[in-house]
Amino acid sequence: GAVVSQHPSWVICKSGTSVKIECRSLDFQATTMFWYRQFPKQSLMLMATSNEGSKATYEQGVEKDKFLINHASLTLSTLTVTSAHPEDSSFYICSVRTPDREDYEQYFGPGTRLTVT
Amino acid sequence: RKEVEQDPGPFNVPEGATVAFNCTYSNSASQSFFWYRQDCRKEPKLLMSVYSSGNEDGRFTAQLNRASQYISLLIRDSKLSDSATYLCVVNGSWGKLQFGAGTQVVVTP
Repeated sequence: GAVVSQHPSWVICKSGTSVKIECRSLDFQATTMFWYRQFPKQSLMLMATSNEGSKATYEQGVEKDKFLINHASLTLSTLTVTSAHPEDSSFYICSVRTPDREDYEQYFGPGTRLTVT
Repeated sequence: RKEVEQDPGPFNVPEGATVAFNCTYSNSASQSFFWYRQDCRKEPKLLMSVYSSGNEDGRFTAQLNRASQYISLLIRDSKLSDSATYLCVVNGSWGKLQFGAGTQVVVTP
C-alpha cells in the first residue's frame, strides 16, 4: 500500500478565516490525489481530483473559489478552505491512487478534522 | 437513487458469531469493488477487494453478484476488534470511487 500523511490532523478556526490542509504521498510520486469530505454518519463525498501540474477537477456543487487546491509537486497537494464558515466544519480526507494499480484502489490519509466556530 | 446503498445497521453481533451484509450499486459498468473499514473518527482503510469469483481473507469473505448488482461481506468468528463501520466502495467513471454510507457492526462480549 501507499503511505499518505495529512497536516494538521485537527484545526479549530474562527468564521471568516482560511485554513490550509496538506496531503503528502510519502513513498511514491502521485500524479493524482483526491480530496473528500465526510459529515457525521454520512459517506465520503468526493470534492475534487487534484492533478499535478494542472488545475483540479471539481465535483458538481463544490465551489472551486472556496476550496482552493494546489498540486504543486508529485508528493504534495494542498486544500485551502477560504473564508470558512461553521457549515464547512467536517472531516477532510485526501487519498492517492498508486499508478501501478488498474483497479482504482486508493489509500487514504489520516484526515483533518476542521471545526469552524 | 444513491449510487451505492448500504443498510446503515447497526448490526449487533455476539462475539464469535457470523454476520453478513450487502451493498447494492447502480452503475452496471463498474469494474472494481472494495470493502473498506472505518473506525470512529478515523480514515477508511482497505479491508479487501472483491473479485468476480468471490474471495476470502481469513475470517472475511466477499462476494460479487453482477446480475443483481450487489456485493456482500461476511465476517466469521467475530472479534470485538471487528466493531467498525464497513464501507462499500465501487469505482465510477474517471477513476473515481463511489462510497456507501457504511454499515455499522457492533460486536458484543
